Amino acid sequence: ETGVTQTPRHLVMGMTNKKSLKCEQHLGHNAMYWYKQSAKKPLELMFVYNFKEQTENNSVPSRFSPECPNSSHLFLHLHTLQPEDSALYLCASSQEQGYSYEQYFGPGTRLTVT
Amino acid sequence: KNQVEQSPQSLIILEGKNCTLQCNYTVSPFSNLRWYKQDTGRGPVSLTIMTFSENTKSNGRYTATLDADTKQSSLHITASQLSDSASYICVVTLRSGGSYIPTFGRGTSLIVHP
Repeated sequence: ETGVTQTPRHLVMGMTNKKSLKCEQHLGHNAMYWYKQSAKKPLELMFVYNFKEQTENNSVPSRFSPECPNSSHLFLHLHTLQPEDSALYLCASSQEQGYSYEQYFGPGTRLTVT
Repeated sequence: KNQVEQSPQSLIILEGKNCTLQCNYTVSPFSNLRWYKQDTGRGPVSLTIMTFSENTKSNGRYTATLDADTKQSSLHITASQLSDSASYICVVTLRSGGSYIPTFGRGTSLIVHP
């Protein structure tokens, strides 16, 4: 295991639902990331938090709302999603922000929007 | 536009054989290049990282090469094992001011048959 856990592992939700994805890292890292991985597409960086502060928002629609209460926990709140939002959502952490630092990924949450 | 192209898209080999995966990129200015292995149902795990000045890096049976002049990288897998079946992702990091922006390839899906 990488030291990064994500729950739930699978989620099916309707377009009118509200749900949250949770990520927790046990590595003592200060930076955390959300990525979206769609079938046959490259990973897309969504959000970056460094020392609990959001430092990057990669033009993500407002129906995705991140929250980082502390350096160990990261949430992604979901509401009124679209079917095209169905994907694998990956959380990662690194010692600090900056891609010279190795990122450790969680196993992902497989999201299906019906 | 900064891009990372990987080939082949998929590859099937027999156990014990060697194989080479390719990554061509147009990202500039270049900071570093990583190869990740992603098993089905798991997050990516870093195999190698190379900076501009490095042209080869090994990790067990995995050897990555980098030609920064031609903007090409390869990942060579020696004496393949069934556990090598996975997606291999090339990630090139662009340095822009104080930010590091990763550009991901679509990955090469490798299947190793007994």
